[in-house]
Amino acid sequence: DVKVTQSSRYLVKRTGEKVFLECVQDMDHENMFWYRQDPGLGLRLIYFSYDVKMKEKGDIPEGYSVSREKKERFSLILESASTNQTSMYLCASSFNRQGRAGELFFGEGSRLTVL
Amino acid sequence: SQQGEEDPQALSIQEGENATMNCSYKTSINNLQWYRQNSGRGLVHLILIRSNEREKHSGRLRVTLDTSKKSSSLLITASRAADTASYFCAPENDYKLSFGAGTTVTVRA
Repeated sequence: DVKVTQSSRYLVKRTGEKVFLECVQDMDHENMFWYRQDPGLGLRLIYFSYDVKMKEKGDIPEGYSVSREKKERFSLILESASTNQTSMYLCASSFNRQGRAGELFFGEGSRLTVL
Repeated sequence: SQQGEEDPQALSIQEGENATMNCSYKTSINNLQWYRQNSGRGLVHLILIRSNEREKHSGRLRVTLDTSKKSSSLLITASRAADTASYFCAPENDYKLSFGAGTTVTVRA
């Protein structure tokens, strides 16, 4: 079974802190994604990566950065957390099928609260 | 953004009934996918329909796609309590899947 593991299920941070959200997949997937999910807004794409050391901005990249040093790991970084970044963060991965995202496999999510 | 928009927002049905939900999107797509999310968990892929397909079945799921109307529907037949979840459509273009706010389905015993 494909497994996408997010390092923390629940985090509580203070405004201005630097926050790292880690995601690891064990299926040798080329593509990895970070979404945030908010009530009434659905899932919004923050960043994605289709290869090691590659990254592309999604729809809402402001206030976030990412790192992909190894194929299996995709990290989301909040340089200076703010209260409007309180959200559920979902990591996903997939095979790269002819330049398409394909079927996404999701982690269980990381619920971040910024005080 | 070609975010999928699901309709209705919420649906409550009796066990054994069918559940139908619809999805609309704005621009051209490569394919369209449907996902399920149980409360507080990650999303699980249900089915993918390509832009040149009109209908697809998987177990109790039936998906239709009408690219001329930029719409899709998901039908769950003979619903069970375990089908209680939120359902999301995700139009895909290149690497990006754009999810809507979902349809919350409650199946009453």
